[in-house]
Amino acid sequence: DTEVTQTPKHLVMGMTNKKSLKCEQHMGHRAMYWYKQKAKKPPELMFVYSYEKLSINESVPSRFSPECPNSSLLNLHLHALQPEDSALYLCASSQDRREFFGPGTRLTVL
Amino acid sequence: AQSVTQLDSQVPVFEEAPVELRCNYSSSVSVYLFWYVQYPNQGLQLLLKYLSGSTLVESINGFEAEFNKSQTSFHLRKPSVHISDTAEYFCALKGNQGGKLIFGQGTELSVKP
Repeated sequence: DTEVTQTPKHLVMGMTNKKSLKCEQHMGHRAMYWYKQKAKKPPELMFVYSYEKLSINESVPSRFSPECPNSSLLNLHLHALQPEDSALYLCASSQDRREFFGPGTRLTVL
Repeated sequence: AQSVTQLDSQVPVFEEAPVELRCNYSSSVSVYLFWYVQYPNQGLQLLLKYLSGSTLVESINGFEAEFNKSQTSFHLRKPSVHISDTAEYFCALKGNQGGKLIFGQGTELSVKP
């Protein structure tokens, strides 16, 4: 298995909802990442997990809560989001300096 | 500080014409360089990478890039583009001691028939 998978593909949520994004990889990579990407912009790093421990938090608001249950899974829990949080959320994993991205979850906050 | 500059935000080109997407970088340490491609409504795919060794790197679909340390550049080229190459292309770097992947602002390649 040589890919990063993400579910769901699309998510529409209200500002009072709680939802989660899921990311999975079975390549044995020990670093996993969450990025946020707005239209026509490069991805912005949110969080990095290394060996299942949070190693980088790029000053992301607390309404985004990452979780790494095991070496293959990465979740992003969402609560009380704002309309400006609407974006493509990308997960990635890395080996040998290369980052491999999943297809993303398109999030719309109403 | 490290940075990546993609000199063209949009590059329109006709099918079967050659194309060059320009990328310059700045770093005080040695770097690893990457080109990613993002097709509409998809994630990023690693197109090619320079980690070490030969300065000319090639992808399986005809793209190539040359690492030029003296000019701090990593331009992407293809001798003959197809409609299917229409996408956003991101140049990126990572320092040789790890750290964040630093992206350029992206170049939108639009191939017209």
